[in-house]
Amino acid sequence: EVQLLESGGDLVQPGGSLRLSCAASGFTFSSDAVSWVRQAPGKGLEWVSGIGSSDSSTYYADSVKGRFTISRDNSKNTVHLQMNSLRAEDTAVYYCAKRRVGNSGNFDYWGQGTLVTVSS
Amino acid sequence: DIQMTQSPSSLSASVGDRVTITCRASQDISSWLAWYQQKAEKVPKSLIYEASSLQSGVPSRFSGSGSGTDFTLTISSLQPEDFATYYCQQYKRYPLTFGGGTKVEIK
Repeated sequence: EVQLLESGGDLVQPGGSLRLSCAASGFTFSSDAVSWVRQAPGKGLEWVSGIGSSDSSTYYADSVKGRFTISRDNSKNTVHLQMNSLRAEDTAVYYCAKRRVGNSGNFDYWGQGTLVTVSS
Repeated sequence: DIQMTQSPSSLSASVGDRVTITCRASQDISSWLAWYQQKAEKVPKSLIYEASSLQSGVPSRFSGSGSGTDFTLTISSLQPEDFATYYCQQYKRYPLTFGGGTKVEIK
């Protein structure tokens, strides 16, 4: 059974940092690209960042470019999202999701999400 | 960036109704389009990929069509468990982008 389990969400002050993790199991982790998708309270889905299966390619939404860094450790089946210079508008539930076919395809599996709240 | 525009943003329908939701891409995305269902801000669930392929385990009353820039999600006979918000998403290229969502409510 495919599982994605996020952790690391917390309450943090504006300007602060947080590191989210996504632990994967039930599939060949090193073969599939993974992304982070967020949802602010009462809002729609927003893609945040993605990383290719081999870790050589990383991608970011303009809203987080230069502040967030995605990485993966294929030996530990884990993806991380380092979030710096956090703003109130980064408040959201953050989901990790894997792509269906290698480095392409839709998101066929999602984690349960982890809540990030940026507030003083 | 590729913009995705869904319509309507919300609709009211009755059990048994046929429901159609449209999604338009700002440029040609071929068939690289997915549809997701999300209930009350629970985890999104994949329904359709490559515009018209049904994700495993999804009921056959859901169907997708279209290519290029115009796409449609159809629920042939709305069931009580289908009341939710539906999102389209293009995955032709990064940045991946979602439509704004369509909330399907009970009439």
